[in-house]
Amino acid sequence: SAVISQKPSRDICQRGTSLTIQCQVDSQVTMMFWYRQQPGQSLTLIATANQGSEATYESGFVIDKFPISRPNLTFSTLTVSNMSPEDSSIYLCSVVGNTGELFFGEGSRLTVL
Amino acid sequence: EDQVTQSPEALRLQEGESSSLNCSYTVSGLRGLFWYRQDPGKGPEFLFTLYSAGEEKEKERLKATLTKKESFLHITAPKPEDSATYLCAVQAMFSGGYNKLIFGAGTRLAVHP
Repeated sequence: SAVISQKPSRDICQRGTSLTIQCQVDSQVTMMFWYRQQPGQSLTLIATANQGSEATYESGFVIDKFPISRPNLTFSTLTVSNMSPEDSSIYLCSVVGNTGELFFGEGSRLTVL
Repeated sequence: EDQVTQSPEALRLQEGESSSLNCSYTVSGLRGLFWYRQDPGKGPEFLFTLYSAGEEKEKERLKATLTKKESFLHITAPKPEDSATYLCAVQAMFSGGYNKLIFGAGTRLAVHP
């Protein structure tokens, strides 16, 4: 299984600001995924990040709000832009294992005041 | 529409009291069903993948089973350290490419000594 590191692990931000979350994987992977887990809710896929191409966003998520970078095969960033309290969530980075399972990072817990 | 429903939402057990968690799903062709464990403040930890009806997987006190409509996670003689949220996710058949996982809302398990 891959080792996935996320930074920051948690942050408290002011409304209207932006925060960039970093995800580092210990091996090269083709696809990386960003999930959101709102308080008391399950996981929802935000977007799929492929190296060398634009990210693919799920319904309800747009690039202007959640810009993603994927500069190489081991690293990705997710930015949460112009934050509001509704953006308070855990943001999770994940990669696919050999048999289709997802492996997750520890998550970045974001609180927006 | 592909959907995953987990029950119960929360379960409280005494140490040693065996029980089962349910994951029912509707999907247009099942590619795989996944079970995860999530501890508070952490990312989901992969437990099992099941691919076809009748398949079973075991790990320590946990056993996962699969039918055409649902999966069960059986917990035998649980210990307090088994307390966590257990997530179920399905992956639907698709012609080519990676197919996103659809997660249920989870079952919060509390095992008391």
